[in-house]
Amino acid sequence: SSELTQPPSVSVSPGQTASITCSGDKLGDRYTCWYQQKPGQSPVLVTYEDSKRPSGIPERFSGSNSGNTATLTISGTQAVDEADYYCQAWDSSTVFFGGGTKLTVL
Amino acid sequence: QVQLQESGPGLVKPSETLSLTCTVSGGSISSYHWSWIRQPPGKGLEWIGHIYYRGSTNNNPSLESRVTTSLDTSKNQFSLKLSSVTAADTAVYYCARLQLPDFRLDYWGQGTLVTVSS
Repeated sequence: SSELTQPPSVSVSPGQTASITCSGDKLGDRYTCWYQQKPGQSPVLVTYEDSKRPSGIPERFSGSNSGNTATLTISGTQAVDEADYYCQAWDSSTVFFGGGTKLTVL
Repeated sequence: QVQLQESGPGLVKPSETLSLTCTVSGGSISSYHWSWIRQPPGKGLEWIGHIYYRGSTNNNPSLESRVTTSLDTSKNQFSLKLSSVTAADTAVYYCARLQLPDFRLDYWGQGTLVTVSS
């Protein structure tokens, strides 16, 4: 199965570290990327090829992928990071998205 | 800087065909691959399909029988047709640039809301 499972919500205090997980069968055998989406806006790529960051994405965003779980980590979380986050992977040229995680910074 | 812009009717009747176009600026569509993604109101992202720069395609198996994508290199555009629509196809439709080897979507359009209703 290529289904990707994310927790519906994660809460974090400002300045703390937020971790958002994405689970799937043998996910670590495939590249995973992550998107941030704020209300009314298009998704923005924040990590790709498991752990790389596009230009312009702050260093506090990092990714990892091993076994059956990929993780997006936001260090020193800021209020501006409050958003929905989606993981994405692929299998046999087919793209799959996780269900999304709402990150609340409070 | 690559920019993408979706265009097309915002309202489509049930059983008809939804048609959208994505206009790309800041780069040639002949050099990259391209995708369509949709998001029903209040829900998550759903991949529709992608078209490679040479014109071959891959589509979501759940939509395969209803989806057609194509390139128009003379206009630097690519398009989506989704046939036999129902209310379940109501969504914001996005076009995006696809990058390999990880099938990441690195540039997105602003999205366009398509409502299926009589």
